[in-house]
Amino acid sequence: NAGVMQNPRHLVRRRGQEARLRCSPMKGHSHVYWYRQLPEEGLKFMVYLQKENIIDESGMPKERFSAEFPKEGPSILRIQQVVRGDSAAYFCASSPRGDTPTGKLFFGSGTQLSVL
Amino acid sequence: DAKTTQPTSMDCAEGRAANLPCNHSTISGNEYVYWYRQIHSQGPQYIIHGLKNNETNEMASLIITEDRKSSTLILPHATLRDTAVYYCIVRPTGNQFYFGTGTSLTVIP
Repeated sequence: NAGVMQNPRHLVRRRGQEARLRCSPMKGHSHVYWYRQLPEEGLKFMVYLQKENIIDESGMPKERFSAEFPKEGPSILRIQQVVRGDSAAYFCASSPRGDTPTGKLFFGSGTQLSVL
Repeated sequence: DAKTTQPTSMDCAEGRAANLPCNHSTISGNEYVYWYRQIHSQGPQYIIHGLKNNETNEMASLIITEDRKSSTLILPHATLRDTAVYYCIVRPTGNQFYFGTGTSLTVIP
């Protein structure tokens, strides 16, 4: 049973380019969460999605960032016109259900984004 | 955001028990206490969770005080591979997991 798969593991972009980060949840999981971790800081919640729906995007920056979780395929976190401050580790997590108090999150290995 | 308070860092001798405290004095009746850990550069790993009663699994034990205002994660026999940042999270029903800065545990040979 494969875990949460994130790719690429490392992504290098120049300022102004677009970054696309992919996350395939565990089999049977329909809830996906994205977190960002800046160097030497804790994880910051960004967005919570179910299939085809954004449930909570309260942690997403208002501009340049978007997320989707289509009916088929992985969840995508898209960052347009990247800036150096976007350099961070981006983690995806999945759970079978999002609204149960005992729902556990299973995390991927993360994508390390470096903006030159 | 996170409603927990943890020490910034702790050391523990290899083979000894590691006791990691967490204060959550404003916890509500329906909020669970979760513990995760993050080994350097990896994704966080679930350890254990509980509501009222003490819990134990193959990784650790969770002791929650009777008033639920604090808890302690116990790693019974710490190894070098337990060196990580440990996050204590209080999660109400239907809400997200908000990670604070956690406790950086260093297991010393």
